[in-house]
Amino acid sequence: DVKVTQSSRYLVKRTGEKVFLECVQDMDHENMFWYRQDPGLGLRLIYFSYDVKMKEKGDIPEGYSVSREKKERFSLILESASTNQTSMYLCASSSPLNTEAFFGQGTRLTVV
Amino acid sequence: QQPVQSPQAVILREGEDAVINCSSSKALYSVHWYRQKHGEAPVFLMILLKGGEQKGHDKISASFNEKKQQSSLYLTASQLSYSGTYFCGTESTGGFKTIFGAGTRLFVKA
Repeated sequence: DVKVTQSSRYLVKRTGEKVFLECVQDMDHENMFWYRQDPGLGLRLIYFSYDVKMKEKGDIPEGYSVSREKKERFSLILESASTNQTSMYLCASSSPLNTEAFFGQGTRLTVV
Repeated sequence: QQPVQSPQAVILREGEDAVINCSSSKALYSVHWYRQKHGEAPVFLMILLKGGEQKGHDKISASFNEKKQQSSLYLTASQLSYSGTYFCGTESTGGFKTIFGAGTRLFVKA
């Protein structure tokens, strides 16, 4: 059974903290994505990566960075968490042709 | 830029049909459709590639009009299990990142 695993289902962090969200996939996929899901706004792309150490900005990269040191792992970093980054974060992976994306269960991050 | 989905929400009785539309301002290479049930991850339904094809499985099908940069998802004889939020994702020519719409919430009642 294919899997995309996000390290935490729920996180509560303080304003100004550095936050790491981890995502691991076991399908040997080249493409990995980080989305943010907010009510009424759908899934918005933060960053994606099409290979190890390669990354590209999505539509809302401000305040975020990413790291992909290994093919199976894609990390989202909030350099200095702010309350407007309170959201559901979804990681996804897909094959090079991007014909189907597999999503993780999501991390609900609350910044207080 | 996000594709625009319509309607934002729809309520159906079991057995009724529904159409969800997705339109983009950009030239499209493909359109993806996903369904997300409450508290769960989005799940892939189907992908349509440019060429104006139509696809379907079971009672859910979709069409893609490349010239109009639009896609529609058709749910026929809806079942309770169809309830959830449906997202279209678009991929523009020359790129392989998928941009999703805001979603359409569908509720099927008995």
